[in-house]
Amino acid sequence: LAKTTQPISMDSYEGQEVNITCSHNNIATNDYITWYQQFPSQGPRFIIQGYKTKVTNEVASLFIPADRKSSTLSLPRVSLSDTAVYYCLVGRLNAGNNRKLIWGLGTSLAVNP
Amino acid sequence: GAVVSQHPSRVICKSGTSVKIECRSLDFQATTMFWYRQFPKQSLMLMATSNEGSKATYEQGVEKDKFLINHASLTLSTLTVTSAHPEDSSFYICSASLAGAHNEQFFGPGTRLTVL
Repeated sequence: LAKTTQPISMDSYEGQEVNITCSHNNIATNDYITWYQQFPSQGPRFIIQGYKTKVTNEVASLFIPADRKSSTLSLPRVSLSDTAVYYCLVGRLNAGNNRKLIWGLGTSLAVNP
Repeated sequence: GAVVSQHPSRVICKSGTSVKIECRSLDFQATTMFWYRQFPKQSLMLMATSNEGSKATYEQGVEKDKFLINHASLTLSTLTVTSAHPEDSSFYICSASLAGAHNEQFFGPGTRLTVL
């Protein structure tokens, strides 16, 4: 059974780089890896998405090794406002009846002053 | 761009009543919308996938007669929780994907349902 595993919680300090790793050993060939941020009582917010190698945008980087069995979300120089739950999602939306979306349980990141 | 709204943001109802939650894509056409349920301090659980003009596809274990989904237009999907009970109290979140896009979901702000 496909499974997405990530640490339950992490602690950091303002200005540090935070790396959150997600394990997805059974990722399928066509699956993408997406990370979302969620604040309490709000809907998730898209952070970054990738298929392989490295992807970078204005808020984060995503590192995916060649075997794609894991991925690492990197948040450079976090601030207090980055305190949130971060979810790893593996899957593909446009797969018709074969669609599967495997959500991790979320990593609760606490950024301390 | 790509804004999704939900209404109401929170609702309290008596046991046995039905509650309708609306999900709208405000500035784009969403051929596919997704409905999730999230219990406190838990991950998102996909309930069903809704395609405009066709019946929703429900995930295993989700009762289609209890959670009625209608996707009548490219910008509106509704979830009706019928005969709600306290165990249905949860945070319900919808998301929408852009027509032709591969994998990005845009999420609504969620609806907090409390059944007394």
